[in-house]
Amino acid sequence: QQPVQSPQAVILREGEDAVINCSSSKALYSVHWYRQKHGEAPVFLMILLKGGEQKGHDKISASFNEKKQQSSLYLTASQLSYSGTYFCGTEAGPNNNDMRFGAGTRLTVKP
Amino acid sequence: GAVVSQHPSWVICKSGTSVKIECRSLDFQATTMFWYRQFPKQSLMLMATSNEGSKATYEQGVEKDKFLINHASLTLSTLTVTSAHPEDSSFYICSARSRPTYEQYFGPGTRLTVT
Repeated sequence: QQPVQSPQAVILREGEDAVINCSSSKALYSVHWYRQKHGEAPVFLMILLKGGEQKGHDKISASFNEKKQQSSLYLTASQLSYSGTYFCGTEAGPNNNDMRFGAGTRLTVKP
Repeated sequence: GAVVSQHPSWVICKSGTSVKIECRSLDFQATTMFWYRQFPKQSLMLMATSNEGSKATYEQGVEKDKFLINHASLTLSTLTVTSAHPEDSSFYICSARSRPTYEQYFGPGTRLTVT
């Protein structure tokens, strides 16, 4: 079953912050975040494997609330290069090998 | 970072012909490789999962005889679209899971156009 992402789209000015949410109706083992630019393949951002885990790189970070079966991606002081569609992928178990993707959140950063 | 390549990047073929797409993990061994299909402005839909040396596991609604998957080694998986039809035109993306890190990396994708 696909996770649900929100919002569907967001428009920001350079330097503003954004939060993208991903929730599932099933218990989650892992959450994966990707960014895809038009006509290109998704690029891996980060993976969260443990409930309560938080990770970050540069000004992009994410958290995973295992109990609530949800994850959030935080984009701080957004840059023009952050524009793209963000997908979360979720798996229910370590050996399931059946990552399902949300519908995506289209992020546009304007100067 | 981990690199996954796909070949070809794009292909145009005539209806009724077969097309093979290769997916390679270049600098890591992939326990599992995945094939996805993506229509414009839509999410990635999992088609099948393959483990090296064993038969692929197909998602419901995906025809096994039409989309043949072979996972010959820990670094190579192929998808063959047999007797392609215009409705098979799409963006096909493979991904490979890294054994120690569990991270999953995508190839650049192959755009298939069936005329």
